[in-house]
Amino acid sequence: SQTIHQWPATLVQPVGSPLSLECTVEGTSNPNLYWYRQAAGRGLQLLFYSVGIGQISSEVPQNLSASRPQDRQFILSSKKLLLSDSGFYLCAWSPTGNEAFFGQGTRLTVV
Amino acid sequence: DQQVKQNSPSLSVQEGRISILNCDYTNSMFDYFLWYKKYPAEGPTFLISISSIKDKNEDGRFTVFLNKSAKHLSLHIVPSQPGDSAVYFCAAKVWGSQGNLIFGKGTKLSVKP
Repeated sequence: SQTIHQWPATLVQPVGSPLSLECTVEGTSNPNLYWYRQAAGRGLQLLFYSVGIGQISSEVPQNLSASRPQDRQFILSSKKLLLSDSGFYLCAWSPTGNEAFFGQGTRLTVV
Repeated sequence: DQQVKQNSPSLSVQEGRISILNCDYTNSMFDYFLWYKKYPAEGPTFLISISSIKDKNEDGRFTVFLNKSAKHLSLHIVPSQPGDSAVYFCAAKVWGSQGNLIFGKGTKLSVKP
């Protein structure tokens, strides 16, 4: 069966520091991969998606970037965090491009 | 501009009764709709989905209804159980997209014993 791992679960970072969140998927190959963010009191917003190694599409302009160095690995990064980057970050994968299956999320607090 | 709207931020239902969660959308290019359940500090869990070519899909206690003319879908939970208490998100996918889902803001369901 397929599983998705996302870490860390919580993270507190100072403004201006770098960020690296990692997500890996097991039990499948060539999945679509996604990064979503949920800000306080809001729905989930798609940040990036990838249909293959090295292929990244950005949905919203922001202070973040994404990379897919391996088939089942998806990384969310920032060179310098802003206060507005605080939120709940979720990695997801999809086998068909319809349903998406989510990881447990990372609560990021920028202080 | 919200393309997927869940106009009820919360809903309270008695255990054993029916829970009806509603969702409205504006984009006629949506071809797939999904419902997710989310507990605090966890990722959303996929519940049930429906293609735009259908008007009903059922899975155990969960049924999703789609009314394309009204651009409206609903999730029915029968019977409701206390463990169903969570935030429920409606989501939609644009035809031809790579699974990029557009989410509503969620409805918090409370099922009281």
